[in-house]
Amino acid sequence: ILNVEQSPQSLHVQEGDSTNFTCSFPSSNFYALHWYRWETAKSPEALFVMTLNGDEKKKGRISATLNTKEGYSYLYIKGSQPEDSATYLCAPASGSARQLTFGSGTQLTVLP
Amino acid sequence: NAGVMQNPRHLVRRRGQEARLRCSPMKGHSHVYWYRQLPEEGLKFMVYLQKENIIDESGMPKERFSAEFPKEGPSILRIQQVVRGDSAAYFCASSPGPNTGELFFGEGSRLTVL
Repeated sequence: ILNVEQSPQSLHVQEGDSTNFTCSFPSSNFYALHWYRWETAKSPEALFVMTLNGDEKKKGRISATLNTKEGYSYLYIKGSQPEDSATYLCAPASGSARQLTFGSGTQLTVLP
Repeated sequence: NAGVMQNPRHLVRRRGQEARLRCSPMKGHSHVYWYRQLPEEGLKFMVYLQKENIIDESGMPKERFSAEFPKEGPSILRIQQVVRGDSAAYFCASSPGPNTGELFFGEGSRLTVL
């Protein structure tokens, strides 16, 4: 069982603030790192799938970086909006079947 | 193009009964994954199936739980003789193939065992 840690566990920011979260995972047997966004009462939705060390991906105001050698990824949100409020999950893919092991998530609340 | 469909969305069972949860993957997807979310916990991998094959069931409890993905029809997660500790949200996800990137999740089936 992989040890995937996300911090902080929860976060409240004001509208317009920029913020970032951390995902730590074992660097051995790494295949890919997924980020998902999960709004209450909805299903998790993929944000990024990253595979290469040094990868940086961006979607609108959200971006992510990946360091596979030290086993961490950062997710950044620039100019947070209330609609960004959700739980952000990271999940490394590993094992022979590349199944995902999810972290417990960072719950973001953006206050208007 | 319909997304991943799960039913029932909510299921209530008494201890000792059987629960069957169904998952229809996205059109064109032949790989299905089941995850469980216990109260106050994150998503935990249970099983990964391809049509008519179980690829990885390392996250499945050894007893009472089984899963299948037949050639025709939805994938089914079956829990026999349910106990209160089985109360959880069960999420299904699909992908077009192995190692093909993101998973597409359904909205989950919430099982309550009385």
